[in-house]
Amino acid sequence: SQQGEEDPQALSIQEGENATMNCSYKTSINNLQWYRQNSGRGLVHLILIRSNEREKHSGRLRVTLDTSKKSSSLLITASRAADTASYFCARTFTGRGSTLGRLYFGRGTQLTVWP
Amino acid sequence: ETGVTQSPTHLIKTRGQQVTLRCSSQSGHNTVSWYQQALGQGPQFIFQYYREEENGRGNFPPRFSGLQFPNYSSELNVNALELDDSALYLCASSPGQGPGEQYFGPGTRLTVT
Repeated sequence: SQQGEEDPQALSIQEGENATMNCSYKTSINNLQWYRQNSGRGLVHLILIRSNEREKHSGRLRVTLDTSKKSSSLLITASRAADTASYFCARTFTGRGSTLGRLYFGRGTQLTVWP
Repeated sequence: ETGVTQSPTHLIKTRGQQVTLRCSSQSGHNTVSWYQQALGQGPQFIFQYYREEENGRGNFPPRFSGLQFPNYSSELNVNALELDDSALYLCASSPGQGPGEQYFGPGTRLTVT
């Protein structure tokens, strides 16, 4: 299966705290992407990390990738109420029979940041 | 804003009917993918179109079909609607068929009664 999972399923924190979400997968990836979704609307791309990269930063976001453990984490530092959303990791794979641009999503983590 | 638009925003249909959803890609993007997102789940890949040809398909029956037009806008058609087809349908465009970032539209919420 190409599926994976995010955990936790739900995370509730106070403004100013850091939020960490994890993503695991089962087969070798081409890259892993994190997306954000506000309340049942479209997804917004946050960051892409390639299989040969270990860490990337974008503003208050930090993504790590450990291919030996087949896992990734998304850290949001100094969280704000506006960060409240669902966060998904999406994996892409290369290999026979796979569609190169196909994204495989997990169920996501629902983050709530309280003011 | 990604520049990807979808219509309609919401739609209510009866079981057995047919529906057409539309997507306008971001300028310069020649690839569009469609995803179905049931409540509380992550998006599931339906299919991808690249330069007007279907380029890959997920685990969806043939009653889910699509078109991509020369201007790279796209349609998703679903025949013989079932209650389980109720979901948010998302289209995403990208500048190529590779594994890079995709730009999602706001989605169409379909309810089948």
